[in-house]
Amino acid sequence: QSALPQPASVSGSPGQSITISCTGTSSDVGSYILVSWYQQHPGKAPKLMIYEGDKRPSGVSYRFSGSQSGNTASLRISGLQAEDEADYYCCSYAGSGTEVFGTGTKVTV
Amino acid sequence: EVQLVESGGGSVQAGRSLRLSCAASGFTFDDYAMHWVRQAPGKGLEWVSGISWNSGIIGYADSVKGRITISRDNAKNSLYLQMNSLRAEDTALYYCAKGITMVRGGLDIWGQGTMVTVSS
Repeated sequence: QSALPQPASVSGSPGQSITISCTGTSSDVGSYILVSWYQQHPGKAPKLMIYEGDKRPSGVSYRFSGSQSGNTASLRISGLQAEDEADYYCCSYAGSGTEVFGTGTKVTV
Repeated sequence: EVQLVESGGGSVQAGRSLRLSCAASGFTFDDYAMHWVRQAPGKGLEWVSGISWNSGIIGYADSVKGRITISRDNAKNSLYLQMNSLRAEDTALYYCAKGITMVRGGLDIWGQGTMVTVSS
């Protein structure tokens, strides 16, 4: 149950697009279309942005999209805005009722 | 309003026990899985434990297996985390989170967390 590797930081200018990767294994990301993504601003609770690989909860901007291929999941943020600056974490189901989070990525706009 | 409120955190010595509680409101509690996620100061999120809607599926992180027990009381709309043999590395903000389905999937509602500090 090691944390899923993510890039420590990603940056982009307003209006640009960025992609955050989440590298799993055949025991988690590669076996289940059950990756979720969370946004966390400093001092705040995490917020669900994507679930089941590519589904967006009600109220989450269309600028956020998710995908999964093989053992890798990705979160794309298009039309980057200042409010998108936050930490982002992936999370995958890993079987037997367990979940595993990614190491987290700091997005700078 | 959908809400999760954690309680029970505090400062304890290593080796002691603590029981965290999470009171849910605003949704049909027994329709969803529930989870505990923790975050050590300045660190990332770590999934701790999860329980399905009917307690039929329970999972624990390797880091807490054997020391922590998750449970739920659907009649009281409450989730619990019994933490025994606490270690300094258990120091963290503990979040209660609602699953998006009965068993597995994303965590769509989070509480504000309860802080646990373990001193050696």
